[in-house]
Amino acid sequence: TQLLEQSPQFLSIQEGENLTVYCNSSSVFSSLQWYRQEPGEGPVLLVTVVTGGEVKKLKRLTFQFGDARKDSSLHITAAQPGDTGLYLCAGPQAREGGTSYGKLTFGQGTILTVHP
Amino acid sequence: DTGVSQDPRHKITKRGQNVTFRCDPISEHNRLYWYRQTLGQGPEFLTYFQNEAQLEKSRLLSDRFSAERPKGSFSTLEIQRTEQGDSAMYLCASSSLRGTGFDNSPLHFGNGTRLTVT
Repeated sequence: TQLLEQSPQFLSIQEGENLTVYCNSSSVFSSLQWYRQEPGEGPVLLVTVVTGGEVKKLKRLTFQFGDARKDSSLHITAAQPGDTGLYLCAGPQAREGGTSYGKLTFGQGTILTVHP
Repeated sequence: DTGVSQDPRHKITKRGQNVTFRCDPISEHNRLYWYRQTLGQGPEFLTYFQNEAQLEKSRLLSDRFSAERPKGSFSTLEIQRTEQGDSAMYLCASSSLRGTGFDNSPLHFGNGTRLTVT
């Protein structure tokens, strides 16, 4: 089983601060996805990174995929209260001899709270 | 709105009762997944359907759990003889099979059914 470990588990910051969330594995992933989930709702996809070393930007969010495709990071610049939520990384769970069927393994998540 | 819908949103039941949840995926999506999520944790995979075929079940899915997807459209997840440990958010997601890079297809999640077993 390929595991994804996220850190930190909890992050409480003031509006305007920068932060980085990490997603690490001992296994190689063909791609990694980042989701954001608000209370009472399902996760919503933010980005998919596919190529080792890839960097993608989504407004104030910067996502990076490690060169070896074993890790990823999410950096938020000038955090706002609207960024509050559970951030999840996820990767296709490889099956022996076959495709993942798109089944994702999720990290345990990082709960981000941005105070005004 | 043509997103994934789940019903009911909340279910409170007594230990030992049976419950059934429904998921209506995005209409053109042929893949459907059930996940379970406890508070503050990431979702855990339960089972997967491609069209009407259930292709994979997690070891987390005990014999008390059964899922169906008749005609490859909506899906139901039934839990028999519920236990307090079954209390969780049950999430349904769907995706489409693409011609290339289908492992990267994003999952579209519903807002889940929150089950509380008392």
